[in-house]
Amino acid sequence: ILNVEQSPQSLHVQEGDSTNFTCSFPSSNFYALHWYRWETAKSPEALFVMTLNGDEKKKGRISATLNTKEGYSYLYIKGSQPEDSATYLCASPTAFGNEKLTFGTGTRLTIIP
Amino acid sequence: GAGVSQSPRYKVAKRGQDVALRCDPISGHVSLFWYQQALGQGPEFLTYFQNEAQLDKSGLPSDRFFAERPEGSVSTLKIQRTQQEDSAVYLCASSFADEQFFGPGTRLTVL
Repeated sequence: ILNVEQSPQSLHVQEGDSTNFTCSFPSSNFYALHWYRWETAKSPEALFVMTLNGDEKKKGRISATLNTKEGYSYLYIKGSQPEDSATYLCASPTAFGNEKLTFGTGTRLTIIP
Repeated sequence: GAGVSQSPRYKVAKRGQDVALRCDPISGHVSLFWYQQALGQGPEFLTYFQNEAQLDKSGLPSDRFFAERPEGSVSTLKIQRTQQEDSAVYLCASSFADEQFFGPGTRLTVL
């Protein structure tokens, strides 16, 4: 059974500060790592799909890194804004070519104005 | 619209009632997934369709849960004789390649 874990469970950050949180997954049989942002009452939105060890991806003020050898990914948000308040989910496919995703429990981020 | 839509957005059911949750995927997307998110948990896989074929239903928690996609587009998740533990957000996603596009979910509350 694939075990994907996220920490912390929740986080409060002052507007303008930078923050980061972690997704950990088994380093054996790694296929891909997805990051999603889920705002209340909206659809989860795909942020990144990462596949290669050492991958770094960036989208505006948000970036992510991937270490498949040690089994973790970091999501960074630079200069947090109120609109960054959301739950951030990571997920990994259960097998190669299998799109079924196993999700972590998420990190709930609240930006304090 | 261009995204995945789900209806209803909110459903309150009395224990023992049957419910039906609808998912309209993005046009042309072959794969369709249902996930269940209980309070405080991450989404958990329920079932997967490729066109009209249900290829994996290993995540359905009991035989009270049934999903169909008869024409390979719209899908319905049916829960019979709802129980309080069925209260959750039910997410639908469709995909064409390796990225899944999610709907906003249906929040089911069973009283």
